[in-house]
Amino acid sequence: AQKITQTQPGMFVQEKEAVTLDCTYDTSDPSYGLFWYKQPSSGEMIFLIYQGSYDQQNATEGRYSLNFQKARKSANLVISASQLGDSAMYFCAMREWDNAGNMLTFGGGTRLMVKP
Amino acid sequence: DSGVTQTPKHLITATGQRVTLRCSPRSGDLSVYWYQQSLDQGLQFLIQYYNGEERAKGNILERFSAQQFPDLHSELNLSSLELGDSALYFCASSADRGNTDTQYFGPGTRLTVL
Repeated sequence: AQKITQTQPGMFVQEKEAVTLDCTYDTSDPSYGLFWYKQPSSGEMIFLIYQGSYDQQNATEGRYSLNFQKARKSANLVISASQLGDSAMYFCAMREWDNAGNMLTFGGGTRLMVKP
Repeated sequence: DSGVTQTPKHLITATGQRVTLRCSPRSGDLSVYWYQQSLDQGLQFLIQYYNGEERAKGNILERFSAQQFPDLHSELNLSSLELGDSALYFCASSADRGNTDTQYFGPGTRLTVL
């Protein structure tokens, strides 16, 4: 089974609107972390936001927030007030503490396109 | 700029050849990770080193090997290259401390095997 699922291969959003990118995960480890990364067309991977499994509040970083619903095993990224520069691939990733190492498992990504 | 550097940025080589990708982690980070991003496999974890020791292995082929040196830089060696090895190879680093440990990625090395 897929550990990280991103069901939206591509999405459009109007500039200045908010957009939600979906991510569901599958783990039996009670301790884990969820991450979102942005990959612009230039190729680099940019860390956006982190949510720990024991965090009581949803994480926020500027225009990014994470809608964490633990019972549903979802960790959706919300981008408020979209900008043209937000056009990129977005990846959801998970780290499970049961693993010997700290490797990340990534979803397939969502391509976000912001329309002017 | 994440603080992680990778060289070279682009690499074009032929099947059967061997290449070395180099990574310098962020200052103070002890862990280095290697990931492969390809069109068919997506982003996959290859291997992790912590302070010079191998810590975890993912879907790394036997033709591939890595090491981390005393100055903490790391090299990924790819040998007997095949067309399917063409991909973007990322190095990431982290301090590897606590639950909030975050991996910061380098700009990647784009490998093309002809």
